Amino acid sequence: EVQLVQSGAEVKKPGESLKISCKGSGYSFTSYWIGWVRQMPGKGLEWMGIIYPGDSDTRYSPSFQGQVTISVDKSISTAYLQWSSLKASDTAMYYCARTAAGNYDYWGQGALVTVSS
Amino acid sequence: QTVVTQEPSLTVSPGGTVTLTCASSTGAVTSGYYPNWFQQKPGQAPRALIYSTSNKHSWTPARFSGSVLGGKAALTLSGVQPEDEAEYYCLLYYGTTWVFGGGTKLTVL
Repeated sequence: EVQLVQSGAEVKKPGESLKISCKGSGYSFTSYWIGWVRQMPGKGLEWMGIIYPGDSDTRYSPSFQGQVTISVDKSISTAYLQWSSLKASDTAMYYCARTAAGNYDYWGQGALVTVSS
Repeated sequence: QTVVTQEPSLTVSPGGTVTLTCASSTGAVTSGYYPNWFQQKPGQAPRALIYSTSNKHSWTPARFSGSVLGGKAALTLSGVQPEDEAEYYCLLYYGTTWVFGGGTKLTVL
């Protein structure tokens, strides 16, 4: 069974760093891209970027380039999304999703990040 | 900045048919944009419905279908059920990146 399991909810202060994870199982992790999607409270989905675990090829939305870093550790089938200095506006639910050949199929359960002083 | 536009809201009666559309600010949407469609209910993660314009996942109900219509990607629901009330999002491919539409809130009334 294909599964993407994300790390738990986080509460952080502005300026702190954070790294959230997305662990894939039930399929060949290095054969599918992993994408990250933001959903701010009460708002729509925003595509942030994707990474190919096979060679760490990474693409970012212009809106998120330089704001976050997407990485992967294929030895443990896990993709990451990280911030070096969080802002209150980073408060959102973050989802990971598997994709290949134009097909986004399986999604993680989401990770809620709350940034508040 | 590329913008993908969907109807903000639509209302349909149970058993009826409704078509949601997805337009690109760059011009006509074709199969080369690999349109994906997702359903999201409150408090839940998005669920994939359609990929590459018209392909269904194994879990996608038969009443959902995808197409390209008049330069837009389209999602048609035929024989709408009460449980289809949800937010629907399209996702389009732009060479190296993807962009979501703003979503359509579908009300079944």
